[in-house]
Amino acid sequence: EVQLLESGGGLVQPGGSLRLSCIASGLRFNYYAMNWVRQAPGKGLEWVSTISNTGVDTHYPDSVKGRFTISRDNSKNTVYLQMDSLRVEDTAIYYCARLLWEFRAVDIWGQGTMVSVSS
Amino acid sequence: DIVMTQSPLSSPVTLGQPASISCRSSQSLVHADGNTYLSWLQQRPGQPPRLLIYHISNRFPGVPDRFSGSGAGTDFTLKISRVEAEDVGVYYCMQATQYPQTFGPGTKVDIK
Repeated sequence: EVQLLESGGGLVQPGGSLRLSCIASGLRFNYYAMNWVRQAPGKGLEWVSTISNTGVDTHYPDSVKGRFTISRDNSKNTVYLQMDSLRVEDTAIYYCARLLWEFRAVDIWGQGTMVSVSS
Repeated sequence: DIVMTQSPLSSPVTLGQPASISCRSSQSLVHADGNTYLSWLQQRPGQPPRLLIYHISNRFPGVPDRFSGSGAGTDFTLKISRVEAEDVGVYYCMQATQYPQTFGPGTKVDIK
């Protein structure tokens, strides 16, 4: 069974940092691009980042560019999201998800990890 | 950025009746490679999203055939032929033709 398990969320003050991790099991991790997607409380979905299967290519929306960094360690089946200079508006559930590149569709999602940014 | 809009934003439906959700993009979703990267996701209460449809109309494995997708260019539709209780949730369209990937605001489907 394919599973994604996020960790690393928590409460942090504005301006602080967190690193999220997502460990994958049941799939050939190095075959797949990966996404981070977030959902603020009671709100819709927002794409946060994509990393290619090799880790060479990364993409971000303007809302997090320069503050968030996605990376991966294929030897550990893990993708990371380093979040710096956090803002109150970054408060959300952060989902790790597999991106099927040939379809540009996100088919497997983790359960998410909650990030709260508050003073 | 490509802006995705959906209508209606809320859809109360009777069990066994059909439901239809419209999704529109601010520009064509046809990629230079000829594909249209439009997908539909379902999010049940308290759950992560689930992929239903990709490439406009292709049902993901395990998705019931009462779900269907259609459309082209900038106008797309998700239809549920006969709504069941387990279909309650929020439905999102998503485009990945161009970065940033963007989602529609979501359509809440619940039972009358």
